[in-house]
Amino acid sequence: NAGVMQNPRHLVRRRGQEARLRCSPMKGHSHVYWYRQLPEEGLKFMVYLQKENIIDESGMPKERFSAEFPKEGPSILRIQQVVRGDSAAYFCASSPQTLNYGYTFGSGTRLTVV
Amino acid sequence: ILNVEQSPQSLHVQEGDSTNFTCSFPSSNFYALHWYRWETAKSPEALFVMTLNGDEKKKGRISATLNTKEGYSYLYIKGSQPEDSATYLCALYGNKLVFGAGTILRVKS
Repeated sequence: NAGVMQNPRHLVRRRGQEARLRCSPMKGHSHVYWYRQLPEEGLKFMVYLQKENIIDESGMPKERFSAEFPKEGPSILRIQQVVRGDSAAYFCASSPQTLNYGYTFGSGTRLTVV
Repeated sequence: ILNVEQSPQSLHVQEGDSTNFTCSFPSSNFYALHWYRWETAKSPEALFVMTLNGDEKKKGRISATLNTKEGYSYLYIKGSQPEDSATYLCALYGNKLVFGAGTILRVKS
């Protein structure tokens, strides 16, 4: 069981480019969550998805950020026209159901905007 | 909005010491409380999920309690070892998991 797989591990983008972060949940998990860790800060919730549905996107910035979890393939967090302030570690987690199970986290993608 | 406070912010102990830290919350309007261990350069790892007032969980030398009436959870580590050095995160699940800032534990050998 490979756990939650995130790629790439490190991503460097110039200001104005697009960043695409991928997350494959653990086998058997249908719930996917994205969190962001800004420098010197804790984990901040961004979005919660199930297959083909966004359940809660209350933590997503209103512009430039989007997320999807298609029927086939990994979940994608997409950041358009990146700015320096987007530099952070982005973590994906998955769970089999929401209430009594801890989340399984991926290793994260470190995004650096230059 | 769920509010999660963790204390202390950091803690340095000697190998063999027992230690505990606190997660406090002003409102008990949540379904579950989670504890995670986050080692440097790794990803957070779930330790416990507690849902009921009075819940106690144990895994090896680590245990946790939950008191929803008084608004706190304690995490205990008995006989700390250097490999216990990590950030310990508390999180509340309402309709999403909201994390506290964590307690950084350093165990000196």
